[in-house]
Amino acid sequence: EAQVTQNPRYLITVTGKKLTVTCSQNMNHEYMSWYRQDPGLGLRQIYYSMNVEVTDKGDVPEGYKVSRKEKRNFPLILESPSPNQTSLYFCASSSRTSGPQSDTQYFGPGTRLTVL
Amino acid sequence: AQTVTQSQPEMSVQEAETVTLSCTYDTSESNYYLFWYKQPPSRQMILVIRQEAYKQQNATENRFSVNFQKAAKSFSLKISDSQLGDTAMYFCAFMKHSGGYQKVTFGIGTKLQVIP
Repeated sequence: EAQVTQNPRYLITVTGKKLTVTCSQNMNHEYMSWYRQDPGLGLRQIYYSMNVEVTDKGDVPEGYKVSRKEKRNFPLILESPSPNQTSLYFCASSSRTSGPQSDTQYFGPGTRLTVL
Repeated sequence: AQTVTQSQPEMSVQEAETVTLSCTYDTSESNYYLFWYKQPPSRQMILVIRQEAYKQQNATENRFSVNFQKAAKSFSLKISDSQLGDTAMYFCAFMKHSGGYQKVTFGIGTKLQVIP
């Protein structure tokens, strides 16, 4: 089954404790993105990756790091989480190849993060 | 920078009736994609419909159709024969499509309630 998976689905942590949220896709997509969703603000793009070892900032990259060492994986790293990073996080992937689904993003189930 | 505006925070519609959700955007790009995503209470992001900016023809997917007015930068979603399962948040999204970029901007969403 074609899918994007995220782990963990729920996480409660404390300020300053480094954490990683994993994202993996099995569709051989070139592009992957991370978003955060906050009430009244919709989804905002944090980082995206065009392929292995190629990443770029989205609209809200501060406080986050990413890496793309393998095509299927795109982890989101919070080196020193703060309470304002409490949010619902989504990973998404898409393909640049031509066709009716080109550039259509497929989303993971989301990770609910609470930073105390 | 692109902006996406959804001016209707909440809407309601009677079951089997038709409802239209509005979305406007601002961009200087000529080549881009527009999307509508549905987010039910499960929080999963589900693609509803996709439109390529260079295509004049409005996209349709079963009961869902769009009215894409490129000059007016408008991208409204029409849901016909509304069903209880259509109750959800609906997000409009703009994707910049040039070179290696994949910058995506979402609106803040419209909460749709289908009333039995």
